[in-house]
Amino acid sequence: NAGVMQNPRHLVRRRGQEARLRCSPMKGHSHVYWYRQLPEEGLKFMVYLQKENIIDESGMPKERFSAEFPKEGPSILRIQQVVRGDSAAYFCASSQGTGHSGNTIYFGEGSWLTVV
Amino acid sequence: DAKTTQPTSMDCAEGRAANLPCNHSTISGNEYVYWYRQIHSQGPQYIIHGLKNNETNEMASLIITEDRKSSTLILPHATLRDTAVYYCIVRGTTGANNLFFGTGTRLTVIP
Repeated sequence: NAGVMQNPRHLVRRRGQEARLRCSPMKGHSHVYWYRQLPEEGLKFMVYLQKENIIDESGMPKERFSAEFPKEGPSILRIQQVVRGDSAAYFCASSQGTGHSGNTIYFGEGSWLTVV
Repeated sequence: DAKTTQPTSMDCAEGRAANLPCNHSTISGNEYVYWYRQIHSQGPQYIIHGLKNNETNEMASLIITEDRKSSTLILPHATLRDTAVYYCIVRGTTGANNLFFGTGTRLTVIP
């Protein structure tokens, strides 16, 4: 059973370009989470989505960042007009659903964004 | 939003048991204790979770005190590959569904 798959694993963008990070949840999981980890810092929650719905985006920067989880296909975290401060590791995670039995969250290996 | 307190760092000799403590004195009745770890440059890895009973799986054991105000993660025979930052997280099953990571404990396993 494949785990949470993220791609690309490494991405280099010039300032002002767009970055798109993709995440395929574990099979059978319909809840997706995105976290960001700046260099030498802890993991910070960004957004929580279910299929076609954003449930909690309290950790998302107000501008340039957006996330979606369409009915078909992977979840996408999009960063427009990237700046050097966006350089970080972006982790996607998924869970089966709410309630204790299906609520364990599993993480992918991350996408490392470098803005030059 | 972290509701837990962990030591910043710990050392453990290879082959010995690593006991990682966590205080969560404000835990409420419907909140679980989850443990994750993050090895350098990798994604967080789920280890174990529990509500009030002690739990054991192939990776570790989780001992929760009777009053649920603290817990200990036990790695029975630490190896060099267990060197990582370990996070203790308190989480309910309703309402906010995400995980809030604190600073964790940096465990170094020494040969």
